[in-house]
Amino acid sequence: GQQVMQIPQYQHVQEGEDFTTYCNSSTTLSNIQWYKQRPGGHPVFLIQLVKSGEVKKQKRLTFQFGEAKKNSSLHITATQTTDVGTYFCAGLTGGGNKLTFGTGTQLKVEL
Amino acid sequence: KAGVTQTPRYLIKTRGQQVTLSCSPISGHRSVSWYQQTPGQGLQFLFEYFSETQRNKGNFPGRFSGRQFSNSRSEMNVSTLELGDSALYLCASSLGSGLGYEQYFGPGTRLTVT
Repeated sequence: GQQVMQIPQYQHVQEGEDFTTYCNSSTTLSNIQWYKQRPGGHPVFLIQLVKSGEVKKQKRLTFQFGEAKKNSSLHITATQTTDVGTYFCAGLTGGGNKLTFGTGTQLKVEL
Repeated sequence: KAGVTQTPRYLIKTRGQQVTLSCSPISGHRSVSWYQQTPGQGLQFLFEYFSETQRNKGNFPGRFSGRQFSNSRSEMNVSTLELGDSALYLCASSLGSGLGYEQYFGPGTRLTVT
């Protein structure tokens, strides 16, 4: 079945450093969504990418969707302690009938 | 607007029992999806309901079922509980039908099966 892998599984950074998580799907995606889950919390929607090669920015966060629509990345510039959490990608396939979440990247930020 | 609410927040059940979880979506949202989150398997999609009809289904056994009411509230039922069903069960609502819309998650129900 379809798999969505994320790397790295964990990332420990110093505040102010940059962070990137990568999402790779075994199949072509209709779109990809990104979510953030704080420790003890629930996933919160960040963004959705639909077009091949699409790039979107939200303040310090930059999201990219690959040309082949099989991979995506989330880059955070100058991390802050408020960025702590697990970042999930979720790929949509099957004509919109199947949403597969990635394995997640847990980000820890030290002062 | 109030967010997605789930009840109960915590539940302890014994193997073999059944359980019903409840989810109230954001007002105006007609789609409700259910997910299981475990440390080992991550976030897995269970099913999605829209206008009282199951529209999409994940790869879970028939012990997992759900329904949606005319007011869009949804319930999920798990019968013959197994130890492996211990998980955080999240429901999410969205405006449109299908999974290609922004999902608003509730706080989840933490189910422990002993």
